[in-house]
Amino acid sequence: SQQGEEDPQALSIQEGENATMNCSYKTSINNLQWYRQNSGRGLVHLILIRSNEREKHSGRLRVTLDTSKKSSSLLITASRAADTASYFCATDALAAGNKLTFGGGTRVLVKP
Amino acid sequence: DTEVTQTPKHLVMGMTNKKSLKCEQHMGHRAMYWYKQKAKKPPELMFVYSYEKLSINESVPSRFSPECPNSSLLNLHLHALQPEDSALYLCASSQEGGRGALYEQYFGPGTRLTVT
Repeated sequence: SQQGEEDPQALSIQEGENATMNCSYKTSINNLQWYRQNSGRGLVHLILIRSNEREKHSGRLRVTLDTSKKSSSLLITASRAADTASYFCATDALAAGNKLTFGGGTRVLVKP
Repeated sequence: DTEVTQTPKHLVMGMTNKKSLKCEQHMGHRAMYWYKQKAKKPPELMFVYSYEKLSINESVPSRFSPECPNSSLLNLHLHALQPEDSALYLCASSQEGGRGALYEQYFGPGTRLTVT
Protein backbone atom coordinates (compact mmCIF):
# COMPACT_ATOMS: atom_id res chain seq x y z
CA SER A 1 0.00 0.00 0.00
CA GLN A 2 1.14 3.57 -0.63
CA GLN A 3 2.32 5.57 2.35
CA GLY A 4 2.55 8.80 0.34
CA GLU A 5 0.07 10.52 -1.90
CA GLU A 6 1.28 13.09 -4.39
CA ASP A 7 -0.40 16.14 -5.77
CA PRO A 8 -0.85 16.99 -8.54
CA GLN A 9 -0.80 13.72 -10.47
CA ALA A 10 0.34 15.60 -13.56
CA LEU A 11 1.85 19.02 -14.22
CA SER A 12 2.56 20.81 -17.49
CA ILE A 13 4.71 23.95 -17.51
CA GLN A 14 6.80 26.07 -19.84
CA GLU A 15 10.57 25.96 -19.75
CA GLY A 16 11.87 28.51 -17.25
CA GLU A 17 8.86 28.27 -14.95
CA ASN A 18 8.93 26.72 -11.49
CA ALA A 19 7.31 23.38 -10.74
CA THR A 20 5.94 22.50 -7.32
CA MET A 21 4.63 19.13 -6.24
CA ASN A 22 3.42 17.95 -2.88
CA CYS A 23 3.53 14.70 -0.97
CA SER A 24 1.39 13.74 2.01
CA TYR A 25 1.95 10.70 4.15
CA LYS A 26 0.10 8.95 6.95
CA THR A 27 2.44 7.73 9.68
CA SER A 28 5.55 8.99 11.45
CA ILE A 29 8.70 8.78 9.39
CA ASN A 30 12.45 8.64 9.81
CA ASN A 31 13.10 10.37 6.52
CA LEU A 32 11.50 11.31 3.23
CA GLN A 33 13.20 11.00 -0.12
CA TRP A 34 12.45 12.30 -3.60
CA TYR A 35 13.27 10.38 -6.76
CA ARG A 36 13.01 11.15 -10.46
CA GLN A 37 12.18 8.61 -13.14
CA ASN A 38 12.52 9.24 -16.84
CA SER A 39 10.09 7.29 -18.97
CA GLY A 40 10.56 3.53 -18.54
CA ARG A 41 13.91 3.90 -16.82
CA GLY A 42 15.32 3.41 -13.33
CA LEU A 43 14.82 5.92 -10.56
CA VAL A 44 17.39 8.55 -9.66
CA HIS A 45 17.71 9.79 -6.10
CA LEU A 46 17.30 13.56 -5.74
CA ILE A 47 17.17 14.54 -2.08
CA LEU A 48 16.80 12.88 1.33
CA ILE A 49 15.37 14.97 4.16
CA ARG A 50 15.35 13.66 7.70
CA SER A 51 12.42 14.06 10.04
CA ASN A 52 14.28 16.66 12.13
CA GLU A 53 15.01 18.83 9.07
CA ARG A 54 12.61 21.40 7.63
CA GLU A 55 14.21 22.41 4.35
CA LYS A 56 16.93 21.19 2.04
CA HIS A 57 18.41 22.46 -1.21
CA SER A 58 20.28 20.80 -4.02
CA GLY A 59 21.01 22.89 -7.08
CA ARG A 60 17.64 23.96 -8.54
CA LEU A 61 15.75 21.69 -6.14
CA ARG A 62 14.21 22.76 -2.85
CA VAL A 63 12.48 20.30 -0.53
CA THR A 64 10.47 21.19 2.54
CA LEU A 65 9.15 18.88 5.21
CA ASP A 66 6.36 19.63 7.69
CA THR A 67 6.04 16.71 10.06
CA SER A 68 3.10 18.31 11.89
CA LYS A 69 1.12 18.24 8.65
CA LYS A 70 2.77 15.03 7.43
CA SER A 71 3.61 16.67 4.14
CA SER A 72 6.55 17.56 1.92
CA SER A 73 6.99 19.64 -1.18
CA LEU A 74 9.51 19.56 -4.02
CA LEU A 75 10.18 22.77 -5.92
CA ILE A 76 12.11 22.74 -9.18
CA THR A 77 13.16 26.26 -10.14
CA ALA A 78 13.85 27.49 -13.68
CA SER A 79 12.69 24.22 -15.20
CA ARG A 80 14.28 22.75 -18.31
CA ALA A 81 12.95 20.32 -20.90
CA ALA A 82 15.30 17.73 -19.39
CA ASP A 83 13.30 17.94 -16.13
CA THR A 84 10.42 16.15 -17.89
CA ALA A 85 9.97 13.01 -15.81
CA SER A 86 7.89 11.41 -13.06
CA TYR A 87 8.75 12.48 -9.53
CA PHE A 88 8.12 10.21 -6.56
CA CYS A 89 8.30 10.83 -2.86
CA ALA A 90 9.25 7.86 -0.72
CA THR A 91 9.07 7.47 3.02
CA ASP A 92 10.92 5.38 5.52
CA ALA A 93 8.33 4.85 8.20
CA LEU A 94 8.80 2.94 11.43
CA ALA A 95 5.30 1.50 11.10
CA ALA A 96 6.24 0.07 7.69
CA GLY A 97 9.19 -1.90 9.03
CA ASN A 98 11.87 0.53 7.90
CA LYS A 99 11.39 -0.06 4.22
CA LEU A 100 10.95 2.58 1.53
CA THR A 101 7.35 3.11 0.37
CA PHE A 102 6.68 5.23 -2.69
CA GLY A 103 3.91 7.70 -3.35
CA GLY A 104 1.86 7.68 -6.53
CA GLY A 105 4.09 10.14 -8.34
CA THR A 106 3.71 13.41 -10.23
CA ARG A 107 4.26 13.38 -14.00
CA VAL A 108 5.92 16.63 -15.02
CA LEU A 109 6.05 17.84 -18.60
CA VAL A 110 8.28 20.82 -19.33
CA LYS A 111 7.51 22.31 -22.73
CA PRO A 112 10.34 24.07 -24.58
CA ASP B 1 31.42 3.27 -9.69
CA THR B 2 27.89 4.31 -8.68
CA GLU B 3 26.10 2.11 -11.16
CA VAL B 4 23.64 -0.72 -10.69
CA THR B 5 23.43 -2.94 -13.74
CA GLN B 6 20.56 -5.22 -14.68
CA THR B 7 20.32 -7.89 -17.34
CA PRO B 8 18.52 -8.50 -19.56
CA LYS B 9 16.99 -5.15 -20.54
CA HIS B 10 13.96 -6.87 -22.05
CA LEU B 11 12.58 -10.36 -21.54
CA VAL B 12 9.63 -12.12 -23.14
CA MET B 13 8.69 -15.44 -21.63
CA GLY B 14 5.87 -17.93 -21.81
CA MET B 15 3.93 -19.03 -18.78
CA THR B 16 5.78 -22.36 -18.61
CA ASN B 17 9.29 -20.91 -18.95
CA LYS B 18 11.95 -20.52 -16.30
CA LYS B 19 14.12 -17.43 -16.52
CA SER B 20 16.29 -15.30 -14.27
CA LEU B 21 16.86 -11.58 -13.86
CA LYS B 22 20.30 -10.44 -12.73
CA CYS B 23 21.47 -7.37 -10.84
CA GLU B 24 24.99 -6.29 -9.93
CA GLN B 25 26.53 -3.43 -7.96
CA HIS B 26 30.12 -2.65 -6.97
CA MET B 27 29.51 0.16 -4.49
CA GLY B 28 30.01 -2.03 -1.43
CA HIS B 29 26.34 -1.71 -0.54
CA ARG B 30 25.04 -4.36 1.84
CA ALA B 31 21.33 -3.94 1.12
CA MET B 32 19.76 -4.92 -2.19
CA TYR B 33 16.16 -4.71 -3.30
CA TRP B 34 13.76 -5.98 -5.93
CA TYR B 35 10.82 -3.80 -6.96
CA LYS B 36 8.00 -4.37 -9.42
CA GLN B 37 6.57 -1.40 -11.31
CA LYS B 38 3.47 -1.38 -13.49
CA ALA B 39 2.90 1.37 -16.03
CA LYS B 40 2.12 4.77 -14.49
CA LYS B 41 2.35 3.32 -10.98
CA PRO B 42 5.01 3.68 -8.28
CA PRO B 43 7.54 0.92 -7.62
CA GLU B 44 6.30 -1.75 -5.23
CA LEU B 45 8.80 -3.46 -2.98
CA MET B 46 9.10 -7.22 -3.42
CA PHE B 47 12.21 -8.33 -1.53
CA VAL B 48 15.00 -6.89 0.58
CA TYR B 49 18.36 -8.56 1.17
CA SER B 50 20.49 -7.32 4.02
CA TYR B 51 24.03 -8.66 4.33
CA GLU B 52 23.11 -11.37 1.81
CA LYS B 53 20.19 -12.62 3.88
CA LEU B 54 16.54 -12.18 2.95
CA SER B 55 15.13 -9.66 5.41
CA ILE B 56 11.82 -8.66 3.82
CA ASN B 57 9.47 -10.63 1.57
CA GLU B 58 6.38 -8.60 0.77
CA SER B 59 4.15 -11.66 0.46
CA VAL B 60 5.37 -12.23 -3.07
CA PRO B 61 4.04 -15.36 -4.82
CA SER B 62 6.46 -18.29 -4.83
CA ARG B 63 6.76 -18.16 -8.61
CA PHE B 64 9.25 -15.35 -7.87
CA SER B 65 12.35 -16.65 -6.10
CA PRO B 66 15.14 -14.28 -5.09
CA GLU B 67 18.74 -15.24 -4.54
CA CYS B 68 21.76 -13.30 -3.32
CA PRO B 69 24.90 -15.31 -4.19
CA ASN B 70 27.24 -12.64 -2.79
CA SER B 71 27.23 -9.03 -1.66
CA SER B 72 27.44 -7.71 -5.25
CA LEU B 73 24.89 -9.90 -6.99
CA LEU B 74 21.15 -10.31 -6.76
CA ASN B 75 19.06 -12.65 -8.88
CA LEU B 76 15.33 -13.06 -9.33
CA HIS B 77 14.30 -16.49 -10.60
CA LEU B 78 11.02 -16.64 -12.46
CA HIS B 79 8.89 -19.72 -13.01
CA ALA B 80 5.32 -20.28 -14.18
CA LEU B 81 4.53 -16.57 -14.35
CA GLN B 82 1.17 -15.12 -15.26
CA PRO B 83 0.46 -12.39 -17.84
CA GLU B 84 -0.34 -9.99 -14.98
CA ASP B 85 3.29 -10.34 -13.85
CA SER B 86 4.33 -8.32 -16.92
CA ALA B 87 6.01 -5.19 -15.57
CA LEU B 88 9.29 -3.33 -15.15
CA TYR B 89 11.44 -5.08 -12.54
CA LEU B 90 13.84 -2.75 -10.78
CA CYS B 91 16.83 -3.64 -8.67
CA ALA B 92 18.30 -1.20 -6.17
CA SER B 93 21.05 -1.11 -3.59
CA SER B 94 21.91 1.06 -0.60
CA GLN B 95 24.34 1.42 2.26
CA GLU B 96 23.64 0.00 5.71
CA GLY B 97 22.02 -3.34 5.27
CA GLY B 98 20.44 -3.35 8.70
CA ARG B 99 18.22 -0.35 8.09
CA GLY B 100 18.75 0.25 4.42
CA ALA B 101 15.85 2.58 3.96
CA LEU B 102 17.65 5.30 5.92
CA TYR B 103 19.95 5.86 2.98
CA GLU B 104 19.33 6.74 -0.62
CA GLN B 105 18.82 3.86 -2.97
CA TYR B 106 20.61 3.47 -6.28
CA PHE B 107 18.45 1.92 -8.96
CA GLY B 108 19.32 -0.06 -12.04
CA PRO B 109 17.62 0.67 -15.39
CA GLY B 110 15.23 -2.23 -14.95
CA THR B 111 14.20 -5.31 -16.90
CA ARG B 112 11.03 -4.95 -18.98
CA LEU B 113 9.30 -8.32 -18.60
CA THR B 114 6.47 -9.50 -20.80
CA VAL B 115 4.71 -12.77 -20.00
CA THR B 116 2.77 -14.27 -22.91
